[in-house]
Order: sequence, then C-alpha cells, then structure tokens
Amino acid sequence: GQNIDQPTEMTATEGAIVQINCTYQTSGFNGLFWYQQHAGEAPTFLSYNVLDGLEEKGRFSSFLSRSKGYSYLLLKELQMKDSASYLCAVRIKAAGNKLTFGGGTRVLVKP
Amino acid sequence: DAGVIQSPRHEVTEMGQEVTLRCKPISGHDYLFWYRQTMMRGLELLIYFNNNVPIDDSGMPEDRFSAKMPNASFSTLKIQPSEPRDSAVYFCASSLTQGTDTQYFGPGTRLTVL
Repeated sequence: GQNIDQPTEMTATEGAIVQINCTYQTSGFNGLFWYQQHAGEAPTFLSYNVLDGLEEKGRFSSFLSRSKGYSYLLLKELQMKDSASYLCAVRIKAAGNKLTFGGGTRVLVKP
Repeated sequence: DAGVIQSPRHEVTEMGQEVTLRCKPISGHDYLFWYRQTMMRGLELLIYFNNNVPIDDSGMPEDRFSAKMPNASFSTLKIQPSEPRDSAVYFCASSLTQGTDTQYFGPGTRLTVL
C-alpha cells in the first residue's frame, strides 16, 4: 500500500511564508498533486510534480524529491483567504494511475 | 463549462433507507471518480470509470455500495441499505485522461444517516 504523511495543522501570520511537507512511501510513483480545499467546499487543483525540482505558480510553489519520497508546498505572502486544508496526493502507476490522498494539512492564517 | 455537477447537495435519511447520489462529469472527460471524505479517514477513492466502464472498485466498502455509469454524462452511487457510519461527504470528480490530467471535483453531497 501507500503511506502518505503530512502535518495535521499549521498556523501562520498574514504576509508570511508557510511550507507544508508531504512524505510518501510507495513503489511505482507516477506523480504528486497538491490540492486546496476550503471548509465545506470541493478540493481544487494547485500543482503537479512528476520530476525532481521546483514548480512555481505565482505565490505557490511545489517541490519534489523522488529519491527522498518528499514534497513540499510553499505558500508565500500569505493572505487570509489561504486558510484552508492542503491535500497531498500520490499517483501510483501500478494502481492504474489512481490517486491516493494524504490526510490533509489545515492551515490557519492569522492577521 | 459548468464543471462537475452533483445532486443532491445535502441528504438526510434514516438508517435502512436507500440513498442515490448523482453526478454529471465535465463534457468530454473520459474518467469519472467517486470519493468519500470523513474526518477520520480523509479522502478515499471508492470507484472509478473509464469510458463508462468500471475499472477499479476496490475502494467500495461493502456490497451495500454500488455505482453505475449508464452513459458518458451521468453516474450514480447507491447505498442500500444505508447506515449511520456511511455519513460523509461524497465527491465526484472527472478528468480528461488518467495521465497527467487534473481531476476536477464536484461540490460534493453531504450525507447524514440518522
């Protein structure tokens, strides 16, 4: 099976930077996704990494190290609207490329 | 496009009743996924379809759960009989392919079984 770990909760201040880590143990890795989910809403796609390195999209960046089974999502210049859960999901080729999600990290942005 | 459409948005029922959740994927998407989300277990894949054919139903918890996709624009998830432990938010998602394509989630159905 797959084991995906991410912290349960993080708190940060408006304007600051927060880094959400995700570690995974699996075979047949075929990509890692980050989704954002506001309370009571559906998950929405943020980023996708399949090769090692950093992908930047505006205030959000995602990093992947395949050899270490590690990814992080970096949120810069935090805004109040960034308060949400952030879900790490791993795609496994042997499992028909379906996604397995971590438990999510709830980020609370304070003024 | 209107995105993935799910109905109902909220459902409250009594234990033992049949529940049917509905999903309309984004037009042109070949893959459709049913997920369940709870505080305890997070977001879990129940079943997914490719071109209306069920590919993997290993996440379906038990025989009380069944899913169908009679055509490319409609899918149902049925629970019969329902139990209180089935209370959760059920999401439907669709994607164009299963390669690198993003899964787009519907708004979810919040099910409460009393």
